[in-house]
Amino acid sequence: DAGITQSPRHKVTETGTPVTLRCHQTENHRYMYWYRQDPGHGLRLIHYSYGVKDTDKGEVSDGYSVSRSKTEDFLLTLESATSSQTSVYFCACRGDRGAGELFFGEGSRLTVL
Amino acid sequence: AQKVTQAQTEISVVEKEDVTLDCVYETRDTTYYLFWYKQPPSGELVFLIRRNSFDEQNEISGRYSWNFQKSTSSFNFTITASQVVDSAVYFCALTLGDAGNMLTFGGGTRLMVKP
Repeated sequence: DAGITQSPRHKVTETGTPVTLRCHQTENHRYMYWYRQDPGHGLRLIHYSYGVKDTDKGEVSDGYSVSRSKTEDFLLTLESATSSQTSVYFCACRGDRGAGELFFGEGSRLTVL
Repeated sequence: AQKVTQAQTEISVVEKEDVTLDCVYETRDTTYYLFWYKQPPSGELVFLIRRNSFDEQNEISGRYSWNFQKSTSSFNFTITASQVVDSAVYFCALTLGDAGNMLTFGGGTRLMVKP
């Protein structure tokens, strides 16, 4: 158990509204990631962080921003949600040891109407 | 850029059959790591195995086995004597041997094991 919790787990919102998803981890992992999962696309990386205040873009970062002010928290923000951002969002963490596996949170299902 | 392809989007088998899930990857790096994850109907992602590019030994873990072949850029996963509990979506993933270790995932294969 990597001690990763995501909130909220489910959210329905309307187009144009801001949305923030939170990822909280208790294992002091250095690396944290946000992925989205869509049918046929597997999981695609949105943004990742390699330390407090150190973040970078993934392959599908448009329309998303992130922040990491503390080691344990990694926030994903949709400034103005669109229907194309309806998806399941997964947070993941990785420790510093080599190319260790990612540990995933339980996912957050977001529906944008 | 790296790429992972899982050509089988959906496979259906009857319990006790053997089934192989295919994974083909692309990368120009010589140091990389391959992974398999399982996503059961409950939705969480469960790590199954990690293999580095310098270790081509096949691995067996109970009913699960993995065949890594660099010559064909493949990392296939076989379930022997499948069970209903094996029903899930299986993802193959690749990461390079550098800092950050962002995983690139294949599109996933949905395995349905019928009783």
